Parts: sequence; structure tokens; C-alpha cells
Amino acid sequence: GNSVTQMEGPVTLSEEAFLTINCTYTATGYPSLFWYVQYPGEGLQLLLKATKADDKGSNKGFEATYRKETTSFHLEKGSVQVSDSAVYFCALSGDSGGGADGLTFGKGTHLIIQP
Amino acid sequence: EPEVTQTPSHQVTQMGQEVILRCVPISNHLYFYWYRQILGQKVEFLVSFYNNEISEKSEIFDDQFSVERPDGSNFTLKIRSTKLEDSAMYFCASSPGPTGFFGPGTRLTVL
Repeated sequence: GNSVTQMEGPVTLSEEAFLTINCTYTATGYPSLFWYVQYPGEGLQLLLKATKADDKGSNKGFEATYRKETTSFHLEKGSVQVSDSAVYFCALSGDSGGGADGLTFGKGTHLIIQP
Repeated sequence: EPEVTQTPSHQVTQMGQEVILRCVPISNHLYFYWYRQILGQKVEFLVSFYNNEISEKSEIFDDQFSVERPDGSNFTLKIRSTKLEDSAMYFCASSPGPTGFFGPGTRLTVL
């Protein structure tokens, strides 16, 4: 079955540091890949996505590239801010295309940015 | 911007009681989902719903769970006889396709 593995936190960085959160996946076929963010006290929000190999998703300074050869979708940001403190979830969906498949999530990485 | 809403934000119940968690999906979406997140653990898929029936469910979604779209706008998750291990955040999501728009969640506490 499908699975997502991401680095466990907490990850603690200083403001303006470079961020990488690793994510690798196991799936049959050609899944779509996502990063979701959960700010304290809030629900999950889609941060970015990529639907095919070599696609780069980007949003709010974050980016991730769909690497089929390494089955990875690492999240990066060049200069983090305190407001980026949140839990980040890597996820994938199946390639049935019907939209009815649930998402498979990683365990989440708690990111803490210190001023 | 349209968003998924969920009520209540926090539900406290006694073990063995029935609870109904409510969600209002985005109006033109066709697929609806429930997920749960036990504290400190990963988000887990429970069930997806399309065309007024369950299209997929996980092994977590056993006979004590049911979903319903009673009036064309709400999407509910019922837990018939809650157990302590049902304490979690429950997230509703809706989508026109595989990218889910999530609600803020309902925190269920079973005492």
C-alpha cells in the first residue's frame, strides 16, 4: 500500500535560516504529492502540490520538487520566519484520478522558528 | 473565499455515548472525506463519500462509524458508541478532485 515517511521533529531553526523537511513515499503508479500545513489551533491547509514527475510546487516561499527517481518530495524554504512555525504534513493521493481516494499522510514535522 | 466549516469545535462526551460531528463542505464540491488525528500521531483517512454513498473506507472505519449527507449541504460523521481511543481531532474535507480542502477540525474528547 501507499506510505509516506517524513523526518520527525521538532525541527528548531533560527529566523532567516534555510529549511529542508525531507519526505519520501512508497506508492504504486503515479501519485500526486502534497504538503499541508497546520498552524496552532487550526485545521490543515494545502501549502503546495505537484501532480507529476519533475513538477515543482511552490507557495509562500516554500517549494518542493516531485522526484520520481528518488521517490521524494522534500520541502524547502530559503529564509524562514517565526510565522512559519507549524506542523507540516507530506501527503500523497492515488492515481486513480477519480478523486475518491483518500490522502495518505506522513506523521507530520513540527517546525519551530526562534527569533 | 469558500471554506469547509465544522461544528462543534470541541465535543466532550462520555464513553458509550453517540456523537455526531458536523461539516459543511464547499458547495460545488462532489467528494467528501473524514480524517482523524490522534494527539501526536499522523492524520489518518477514515472514509470518502461520493454520489451519496461511501466510495472508500479505511480499516479504522468500522461498524461504529457512519456518514450521512442528510440535506444536501451538511456531511456528518456519527460514532455510535464512543470509546476512549476515539478521542482525536476529526477533520472533514471536500474536493472537486484529489486535492482536499480541510475544515478546522472538531476535537473529540471521550471521558
